[in-house]
Amino acid sequence: RKEVEQDPGPFNVPEGATVAFNCTYSNSASQSFFWYRQDCRKEPKLLMSVYSSGNEDGRFTAQLNRASQYISLLIRDSKLSDSATYLCVGGDNYGQNFVFGPGTRLSVLP
Amino acid sequence: DGGITQSPKYLFRKEGQNVTLSCEQNLNHDAMYWYRQDPGQGLRLIYYSQIVNDFQKGDIAEGYSVSREKKESFPLTVTSAQKNPTAFYLCASSMRQAATDTQYFGPGTRLTVL
Repeated sequence: RKEVEQDPGPFNVPEGATVAFNCTYSNSASQSFFWYRQDCRKEPKLLMSVYSSGNEDGRFTAQLNRASQYISLLIRDSKLSDSATYLCVGGDNYGQNFVFGPGTRLSVLP
Repeated sequence: DGGITQSPKYLFRKEGQNVTLSCEQNLNHDAMYWYRQDPGQGLRLIYYSQIVNDFQKGDIAEGYSVSREKKESFPLTVTSAQKNPTAFYLCASSMRQAATDTQYFGPGTRLTVL
């Protein structure tokens, strides 16, 4: 079974903290990876794609380690509005196996 | 505005009834998907479609059916054969069915079986 695993959390952090989420995948054929954000009772929304070289978008940094089949998301200077569930997604070359992880819940506290 | 719409937002069904959930997109995307999400769990793929008049079963297709008569529409029917249909149903689309193509989601339909 192709799976994507995440630490379910919850992660409770104070405003301004740096927090890191990890995600592991078991399907070595996975080629593309994404982080989605899902607010309570809402649809997932794309946060960022994950590239082999790693990529950064403002306070968010994503890293991919293919050898260890591991993806990470780092959030710096956490804001209250960052509170959400973060979903890790892996897809193979054919796009037929987009597998979502169960998500990691983050609560940023004042 | 371009996007994906789902209706209804909330749906209540009596046991033994079939219900159809609507999904429409005006993004000109070829690929469309249906997922189910249960509380505290990730998304599980029900069906997907790469092109009009073609669709494939996902991981949990039993008790569900779909059609793709138009590019912009991908309705999902939850049949009475689905034993535990209460869940949050999400429709998504992508430009193509390729690993590099981002999936965009509709706002979802919450189905409750009474």
